[in-house]
Amino acid sequence: EDQVTQSPEALRLQEGESSSLNCSYTVSGLRGLFWYRQDPGKGPEFLFTLYSAGEEKEKERLKATLTKKESFLHITAPKPEDSATYLCAVQASGGSEKLVFGKGTKLTVNP
Amino acid sequence: SQTIHQWPATLVQPVGSPLSLECTVEGTSNPNLYWYRQAAGRGLQLLFYSVGIGQISSEVPQNLSASRPQDRQFILSSKKLLLSDSGFYLCAWSGGGFGEKLFFGSGTQLSVL
Repeated sequence: EDQVTQSPEALRLQEGESSSLNCSYTVSGLRGLFWYRQDPGKGPEFLFTLYSAGEEKEKERLKATLTKKESFLHITAPKPEDSATYLCAVQASGGSEKLVFGKGTKLTVNP
Repeated sequence: SQTIHQWPATLVQPVGSPLSLECTVEGTSNPNLYWYRQAAGRGLQLLFYSVGIGQISSEVPQNLSASRPQDRQFILSSKKLLLSDSGFYLCAWSGGGFGEKLFFGSGTQLSVL
């Protein structure tokens, strides 16, 4: 069974304090790994898709990386507006095209 | 551009009452459509997905059902709600195919009392 585990569950940072969120996954074969941002009471918003180990993608203060077993979302010099829950999801090869999501990491950035 | 509409935003229903949540997508044709539920501490759980009109796949046995009467319309229903049906319901669409990202609606917060 495909599984996604995110850590930590919650993370508090001071503005400007860089850190990383972790997404560990177990799939029969990885088609894609997805990162989403979710604000309270809203639907998730797409950030990145990573397809193969060694791949990296950046958007503003966020950088996502992928290995054969996990992905990291690095946040450089975060601002209060980066506060949100960050979700990781995987799509396995074979079978359906559905995404399997982790429980998310709730990030709070204090000014 | 493509947009996804989901309503209502919030809903309070008594146990045993029926449910109907509707989702429509604009600006694309033949999308894959999904219903997810997000409960506290459990993450996003896939309930149903559809690759075409009248084609519904169920992921979790429950008292919910889904229908796709039109290409860009997806409906989540229940004949009798349970307390355990409370949660945040999200509709999503994708272009289909592996590696395609999901686009989510704004969600419906359902409270069953």
